[in-house]
Amino acid sequence: KNQVEQSPQSLIILEGKNCTLQCNYTVSPFSNLRWYKQDTGRGPVSLTIMTFSENTKSNGRYTATLDADTKQSSLHITASQLSDSASYICVVSARDTDKLIFGTGTRLQVFP
Amino acid sequence: EPEVTQTPSHQVTQMGQEVILRCVPISNHLYFYWYRQILGQKVEFLVSFYNNEISEKSEIFDDQFSVERPDGSNFTLKIRSTKLEDSAMYFCASSWDRANTGELFFGEGSRLTVL
Repeated sequence: KNQVEQSPQSLIILEGKNCTLQCNYTVSPFSNLRWYKQDTGRGPVSLTIMTFSENTKSNGRYTATLDADTKQSSLHITASQLSDSASYICVVSARDTDKLIFGTGTRLQVFP
Repeated sequence: EPEVTQTPSHQVTQMGQEVILRCVPISNHLYFYWYRQILGQKVEFLVSFYNNEISEKSEIFDDQFSVERPDGSNFTLKIRSTKLEDSAMYFCASSWDRANTGELFFGEGSRLTVL
């Protein structure tokens, strides 16, 4: 069964600190992996999208990694800001379907 | 920057009533989608739409649901007879390319509350 699991469920950090969020997936045949940021009550906003051949991609202070062999991805946030407080969702797509498979997300709270 | 817009932002309805949620996708996009998110749960795929027809739908998308692109700009989701369990945030999305290759842009969502 195609699934996406994320850890931790929630995370609290102080402003200025770095953090890393994890994603494991069992989706086949794999097409790409995306990280989205979702503010409470808002729509998901794309941060990165990586295909099988890419193992790292950055978008400002966000850096995503992908290990397609172990089916793991991480999202690293550098020098966190209060505005980074949100849910971060790992989303995987398979080659043979339009359906994106969403993880449950990691809820990040950044405190001053 | 182009964006996907959805109306209404919040709708409250009685069980058994029909509801229509509206979306205006990004203008040059070709693929359109509806997803939903029940409070505290994952975002779930409902349906994809391309070339004026449904290209894929999930098991959630039963006969109570329908989608339509009545003109060149709007994309609607209709729930024929709402149930309590239809209460959720409904997200419209659009993309230039197929979902499994192209980037999806999501709207801000329509919150549906069924009483």
